[in-house]
Amino acid sequence: DAKTTQPPSMDCAEGRAANLPCNHSTISGNEYVYWYRQIHSQGPQYIIHGLKNNETNEMASLIITEDRKSSTLILPHATLRDTAVYYCIVRDTSGTYKYIFGTGTRLKVLA
Amino acid sequence: DTGVSQNPRHKITKRGQNVTFRCDPISEHNRLYWYRQTLGQGPEFLTYFQNEAQLEKSRLLSDRFSAERPKGSFSTLEIQRTEQGDSAMYLCASSLGDSAYSPLHFGNGTRLTVT
Repeated sequence: DAKTTQPPSMDCAEGRAANLPCNHSTISGNEYVYWYRQIHSQGPQYIIHGLKNNETNEMASLIITEDRKSSTLILPHATLRDTAVYYCIVRDTSGTYKYIFGTGTRLKVLA
Repeated sequence: DTGVSQNPRHKITKRGQNVTFRCDPISEHNRLYWYRQTLGQGPEFLTYFQNEAQLEKSRLLSDRFSAERPKGSFSTLEIQRTEQGDSAMYLCASSLGDSAYSPLHFGNGTRLTVT
């Protein structure tokens, strides 16, 4: 089972920041949080990942709470092309390093 | 880096037929994963390879499913005696090593429709 909980859907106005929350209260000390997104009819696309520090790259920022039980993905200036399903994943590091996906958050960016 | 390539993109088959999908990972990626995704759900893990060795299979992978990765390069996923419940998107992903800094790179999938 997925180790994360996300809201099923969110809307965001174009040009505004999109803040996507994720709960992972059972995360263990050596497990990373990953974010992927999936645009219709495409495979999931890697966005960002982190362990305990906040991270930023050209696509997004990842804010992880101090207790690591939740995180927020921030798209600073959402565009219509950011409309997608966003998956927050805690990665299994016990051997296969496989990703267990939940149902994600369907983000709709509105013009 | 040409990305993960999957063929065919779409496959329509009749119930009871066998189908085979191919995945070409990013060159030099030693790990290869297969996932299945049905409408409205996130991808479900099926199996994974490290080089040519298949190291884990999900309980979702019934005896009708078999995956291979000869020579540790491309991989094939075969479904025998297809059933309507096999209709789904089949995704392949690859990664270099098992470091946390080696995210999975996904292909765009093969969409299977069993009629």
